[in-house]
Amino acid sequence: QQQVKQSPQSLIVQKGGISIINCAYENTAFDYFPWYQQFPGKGPALLIAIRPDVSEKKEGRFTISFNKSAKQFSLHIMDSQPGDSATYFCAARGLEGSARQLTFGSGTQLTVLP
Amino acid sequence: GAVVSQHPSRVICKSGTSVKIECRSLDFQATTMFWYRQFPKKSLMLMATSNEGSKATYEQGVEKDKFLINHASLTLSTLTVTSAHPEDSSFYICSASGRYLWKQETQYFGPGTRLLVL
Repeated sequence: QQQVKQSPQSLIVQKGGISIINCAYENTAFDYFPWYQQFPGKGPALLIAIRPDVSEKKEGRFTISFNKSAKQFSLHIMDSQPGDSATYFCAARGLEGSARQLTFGSGTQLTVLP
Repeated sequence: GAVVSQHPSRVICKSGTSVKIECRSLDFQATTMFWYRQFPKKSLMLMATSNEGSKATYEQGVEKDKFLINHASLTLSTLTVTSAHPEDSSFYICSASGRYLWKQETQYFGPGTRLLVL
């Protein structure tokens, strides 16, 4: 019940295209859903996060779409750039008990072709 | 945003030696610190969670005697890999959350430490 399933495992997009990464969760106690961006040899950096009281959050070229009933959320990167090439992790966390720890998805390696 | 630093960024040691990795929160009080391990092209695996001034809580399968965690202050946590072996070679990442202006406890990550045990 702690799992967060992420897909696809890898994604190749042309410059200027839209990158879409999907995640699904099972634990209804989760109430905080961040996305992290990680470059090789670096720690993850918080990109954007959402709480389930809204269905969408946008920050610049990055948008999270959240579907509470389906227990799914996705990251959309508009006008993808080569500099966006990195590994992206979705995560989820709740307020109580074991759900208080961040549970990470398996990661998506994004390559944006110039 | 909040900054978390780690030192060293990479370390090479001989098998059997102990290695200490430091994690510091630079501009906020880290009431909770987390230590993760990451293998190449894999996700982050939580090793332990520590609250300032109390013993760390280790995840199942993580040897507490091998991975010693100390969270002595609100800005510093250390991970000591004791009697390191080649299989301990990995990327170790710390993370911190705490009182920093936000309503929710956003978790910030350090840059990671690459450990290679020969």
